[in-house]
Amino acid sequence: NAGVTQTPKFQVLKTGQSMTLQCAQDMNHEYMSWYRQDPGMGLRLIHYSVGAGITDQGEVPNGYNVSRSTTEDFPLRLLSAAPSQTSVYFCASSYGRTSGYGYTFGSGTRLTVV
Amino acid sequence: RKEVEQDPGPFNVPEGATVAFNCTYSNSASQSFFWYRQDCRKEPKLLMSVYSSGNEDGRFTAQLNRASQYISLLIRDSKLSDSATYLCVVNSNQAGTALIFGKGTTLSVSS
Repeated sequence: NAGVTQTPKFQVLKTGQSMTLQCAQDMNHEYMSWYRQDPGMGLRLIHYSVGAGITDQGEVPNGYNVSRSTTEDFPLRLLSAAPSQTSVYFCASSYGRTSGYGYTFGSGTRLTVV
Repeated sequence: RKEVEQDPGPFNVPEGATVAFNCTYSNSASQSFFWYRQDCRKEPKLLMSVYSSGNEDGRFTAQLNRASQYISLLIRDSKLSDSATYLCVVNSNQAGTALIFGKGTTLSVSS
């Protein structure tokens, strides 16, 4: 049981490049989310999904796209990377309504945009 | 007002001490509350859920005061291994589908 798997673990991008951060979970969780963590800012919600085919915006969605074609996968796309997107990105998943359940996090992707 | 606010610390305590962290939240409709632990450069991990009646897990006790929109975490008999950042977390919408994190409180336990 792998839990939540994120790839890549580290990435350096040039300004303007695009890329996709991968997230996969094997726990049959309905809910999945993407967060970014910056020093002094805590974890901020980018996008989330309540099931296959359903996504919604979080606190800081600009510059990012998501899709949820399967229960297992929830990729995050950076459309045109900017230095402000340098951050640690965490994907997380949960069984269902968070009442009583927490989120399981992946180990993160450390992204640097130069 | 931030949705979830915590005292950032750091809290520096000796082994065996009792330490308490506090957290306030702004959304009175929040239904789910958690404490997470995050070690340096690692992913957050669920420490415990917080229930209205209060709950305990070994040396850890969590309390919720809905009227004051206040959550607390008490750690008794601190261990060196408790050194970490503790994140207060609440759900942000009625569906309970998105969690909002506080910035965290840093604890350092020394021998």
